[in-house]
Amino acid sequence: NAGVTQTPKFQVLKTGQSMTLQCAQDMNHEYMSWYRQDPGMGLRLIHYSVGAGITDQGEVPNGYNVSRSTTEDFPLRLLSAAPSQTSVYFCASSYGGLSTDTQYFGPGTRLTVL
Amino acid sequence: RKEVEQDPGPFNVPEGATVAFNCTYSNSASQSFFWYRQDCRKEPKLLMSVYSSGNEDGRFTAQLNRASQYISLLIRDSKLSDSATYLCVVNRLYTGNQFYFGTGTSLTVIP
Repeated sequence: NAGVTQTPKFQVLKTGQSMTLQCAQDMNHEYMSWYRQDPGMGLRLIHYSVGAGITDQGEVPNGYNVSRSTTEDFPLRLLSAAPSQTSVYFCASSYGGLSTDTQYFGPGTRLTVL
Repeated sequence: RKEVEQDPGPFNVPEGATVAFNCTYSNSASQSFFWYRQDCRKEPKLLMSVYSSGNEDGRFTAQLNRASQYISLLIRDSKLSDSATYLCVVNRLYTGNQFYFGTGTSLTVIP
């Protein structure tokens, strides 16, 4: 199993550009989520999904869109990049979304917006 | 007020030392508690879950005090390989199963 994979590993964008961060998992996990990690802030939840076709907002959803058309994939779209979106983005998945489930994280995407 | 608060450190300890990290959480409805480990520029990985009765995994002991809304992690006989950032994580089932992360405590074990 590859676990949780994310692409790209690094990305530089100009203000106003759009892009999609890819996330995929091969563990047949129902629950997937996107976090951003900023210095001094900890990981903050952007969006999450409890299964294919179902998504919801987390703590910091503004400026991001998600969709979940398959169990495996959960892409994160930046609609119009802003310097405030410079961050490290982690995708995570867990089996059933129970509070006791272990979350497995992807290796992260380091995004810089100029 | 932050959901989860941790002392950021850094903690610099010699090999073989015992070190303790503390964490407090603000919402009494929190259901589940964890310690994750994050190596420099890598993804977080589960170190251990924290149970009400306290639990131990080798050199690591986790404690939970629901009355004080306090979680701790004790590392005994520190190894160089324990150098990392330790993240305190809580979960509230009835908010969409959201996990709330502390900012992490940095540990460096010195030879």
